[in-house]
Amino acid sequence: EPEVTQTPSHQVTQMGQEVILRCVPISNHLYFYWYRQILGQKVEFLVSFYNNEISEKSEIFDDQFSVERPDGSNFTLKIRSTKLEDSAMYFCASSGDPGNTIYFGEGSWLTVV
Amino acid sequence: DQQVKQNSPSLSVQEGRISILNCDYTNSMFDYFLWYKKYPAEGPTFLISISSIKDKNEDGRFTVFLNKSAKHLSLHIVPSQPGDSAVYFCAASSSYQKVTFGIGTKLQVIP
Repeated sequence: EPEVTQTPSHQVTQMGQEVILRCVPISNHLYFYWYRQILGQKVEFLVSFYNNEISEKSEIFDDQFSVERPDGSNFTLKIRSTKLEDSAMYFCASSGDPGNTIYFGEGSWLTVV
Repeated sequence: DQQVKQNSPSLSVQEGRISILNCDYTNSMFDYFLWYKKYPAEGPTFLISISSIKDKNEDGRFTVFLNKSAKHLSLHIVPSQPGDSAVYFCAASSSYQKVTFGIGTKLQVIP
């Protein structure tokens, strides 16, 4: 069964450093998403991406964050100058249609120290 | 602004009995509803969905009921199994919009 894959599974980074989280969405999907879950809290929407541009973003997704689909298969989330409060599990997801079932990766656990 | 609400943070059910997980929503524009199951340190796994034109959808042991007038949906698991122990997220979307999640309900099925 096709799946969304994410790397790394866990990353520890120092505050102020840049982090890139990578995702390979399901191959025939066109809509891509990043969500995050801070420990003990709800799954929060960050950004959606379609046709090589951001289609929607939340207030969490400020200038510190960026997304890119550099090569037609990978979908990356870059976090510049990480803060302690960025520590969370980051989930990549993809779907064939917007607003329809989205399929999640296993998550990348980011710890900022 | 909690558009999708799961008011029960946890639920314990005996193996073999029915588990009923509830969800309320406030946004009348939502037209597609989903349930995801999540184990610790894993991504949410899609379980079952229902569109607003239906009031019931069944898939094996899992049934989702939608009451549009009450803006309420529920997930029924019958019979419950220990492997069903996980956090269940209710989620909703409107056409061409992002999926919004509830805070989750932790289900424990006791053998």
